[in-house]
Amino acid sequence: QSALTQPASVSGSPGQSITISCTGTSSDVGGYNYVSWYQQHPGNAPKLIIYEVSNRPSGVSNRFSGSKSGNTASLTISGLQAEDEADYYCGSYTGSSTVIFGGGTKLTVL
Amino acid sequence: QVQLQESGPGLVKPSGTLSLTCAVSGGSISSSNWWSWVRQPPGKGLEWIGEIYHSGSTNYNPSLKSRVTISVDKSKNRFSLKLTSVTAADTAVYYCARVGYCSGTFCSPVGIDPWGQGTLVTVSS
Repeated sequence: QSALTQPASVSGSPGQSITISCTGTSSDVGGYNYVSWYQQHPGNAPKLIIYEVSNRPSGVSNRFSGSKSGNTASLTISGLQAEDEADYYCGSYTGSSTVIFGGGTKLTVL
Repeated sequence: QVQLQESGPGLVKPSGTLSLTCAVSGGSISSSNWWSWVRQPPGKGLEWIGEIYHSGSTNYNPSLKSRVTISVDKSKNRFSLKLTSVTAADTAVYYCARVGYCSGTFCSPVGIDPWGQGTLVTVSS
């Protein structure tokens, strides 16, 4: 199984909004509403920030939102803050009962 | 809340077997969740290794399937990972985690949460 496709890096200024894309196939992202997103700061374990495409776990800021169109899922962060600088990974269930991750996107807050 | 803690050797010789255990606290491994292993080579992205249900049912990453065994010990509330014939390419931080997001009485089967802190395993002679 090939990794989902994410941009290697994105950047934005404080207060701006950015969007990270995650492209798969009809056998994973496009076939199920089982997409999740993770935030990882250096030296820390990943943290779940979106599940089932667009749902936020308790305690996650409403500045984080998720969506999906066809085989591409997206994570949008609005009102960028310095603390949002981190690596972001998407993940999806597949029709083979496995999980696949994206390659990760490094977000830089300018 | 549920917490997970990985343990095991930090150094494994090439061609040897990597063995890790994940202790689950604050909840039962016999709950309606799967339990997974994910790894991350230094400076690289996440790779899903596999998952197990308390019944013993497993799913594995096809690229690792021939070398991986995940098992569960319900009496000790823990699950384990064995990876055979390791090479330097298996050097990574290994995380154990619960599959699915739960809050109160609500549980979604989607997402991986929470995660253990991770343990670095280096394959070297």
